[in-house]
Amino acid sequence: AQSVAQPEDQVNVAEGNPLTVKCTYSVSGNPYLFWYVQYPNRGLQFLLKYITGDNLVKGSYGFEAEFNKSQTSFHLKKPSALVSDSALYFCAVRDSSGGSYIPTFGRGTSLIVHP
Amino acid sequence: NAGVTQTPKFRVLKTGQSMTLLCAQDMNHEYMYWYRQDPGMGLRLIHYSVGEGTTAKGEVPDGYNVSRLKKQNFLLGLESAAPSQTSVYFCASSYTDGGNFNQPQHFGDGTRLSIL
Repeated sequence: AQSVAQPEDQVNVAEGNPLTVKCTYSVSGNPYLFWYVQYPNRGLQFLLKYITGDNLVKGSYGFEAEFNKSQTSFHLKKPSALVSDSALYFCAVRDSSGGSYIPTFGRGTSLIVHP
Repeated sequence: NAGVTQTPKFRVLKTGQSMTLLCAQDMNHEYMYWYRQDPGMGLRLIHYSVGEGTTAKGEVPDGYNVSRLKKQNFLLGLESAAPSQTSVYFCASSYTDGGNFNQPQHFGDGTRLSIL
């Protein structure tokens, strides 16, 4: 079985400060990991993914995520937050070893960047 | 390139009425999905399809039916709407990349449905 957890419902950060949105996962095999962002009244937009290789993945809008196999985590990061980064962020996982090919989503983390 | 298009964007129904939500994608994706999003619940999978003519149940299928008669379209039907089905409905699509299932999903902008 696969599962994903986003332990924080909300993250608050000041503009210009670094931000981190946390995600942990559980799979039987190796994970395929994804981050999506949702702006108000819009659908989810793909930010970045980890399939294999380099543990630091770079994505859209200056975001990056670090895959940590020993801690089963895939935290989303950005060195300097913008007010426009305020949105809902979802982490998702698929188990590469087979079983369900449908991704499992976390419940989402609301990021609020204060001016 | 329109991506994933959902119609209608908004709808208000009375309890017991029926309706169909349409999802269309122009990316030739094999997989299509219907989710509902409710506050504090994240995304919950209703039904999905792995190809034209096939459908399967997701996490919360009761009260919904789906059809995929054409590869580009995925329809979600509510036979007898109930207030508990008030939600935002999202359609998504993805391709399999040779069966690796490591490709992201592409989402529409949602249908906001209120059942009175």
